[in-house]
Amino acid sequence: GAVVSQHPSRVICKSGTSVKIECRSLDFQATTMFWYRQFPKQSLMLMATSNEGSKATYEQGVEKDKFLINHASLTLSTLTVTSAHPEDSSFYICSASGGAGVYNEQFFGPGTRLTVL
Amino acid sequence: AQKVTQAQTEISVVEKEDVTLDCVYETRDTTYYLFWYKQPPSGELVFLIRRNSFDEQNEISGRYSWNFQKSTSSFNFTITASQVVDSAVYFCALSEDISGNQFYFGTGTSLTVIP
Repeated sequence: GAVVSQHPSRVICKSGTSVKIECRSLDFQATTMFWYRQFPKQSLMLMATSNEGSKATYEQGVEKDKFLINHASLTLSTLTVTSAHPEDSSFYICSASGGAGVYNEQFFGPGTRLTVL
Repeated sequence: AQKVTQAQTEISVVEKEDVTLDCVYETRDTTYYLFWYKQPPSGELVFLIRRNSFDEQNEISGRYSWNFQKSTSSFNFTITASQVVDSAVYFCALSEDISGNQFYFGTGTSLTVIP
């Protein structure tokens, strides 16, 4: 199957700082990438959908100015949590879809655990 | 309305027991896809199975089996002879678009297998 990586796997930051999380599709071109957030003992909640070269579409209740998503290439999307606060501490998972052929489904990354002190 | 319902929040079984995780879904589409994922404590989602709406044949993979019944909109997952390594959170998911759009996770069932 297709491989999606995330970096970093864990990050701890101070309140008020910004954190960037990278999501890469390693062996296919991802026309669409998705960002999910998962709080402890809860399910994954979709935050936003991004298509390469376009602005991301955010789900209701997700602040687009706080969670900046950039999908500048077919293999890389980044999520920047700006001015992070403790309530942003969560597990962030990205997924990627190639949009055609055998990659026309969603492949998940391993996740990034963010802790904001 | 919840698209995917996993009524069992937590289940505990003793090792070697069989356990069934329930999943009920809701969709008006005639073409859709159902998934099961395992999420161990590390957090990484492990893909277990995908089933499309036109394939109601039950599937067995080792100790895992899945029962898809369109008549009851259910896609249940059974682990036979459970092992401690099966302890994880299991998510059922529905996709109305194979590319990932319109993808809905259930709330998950936390399975603990007691040695």
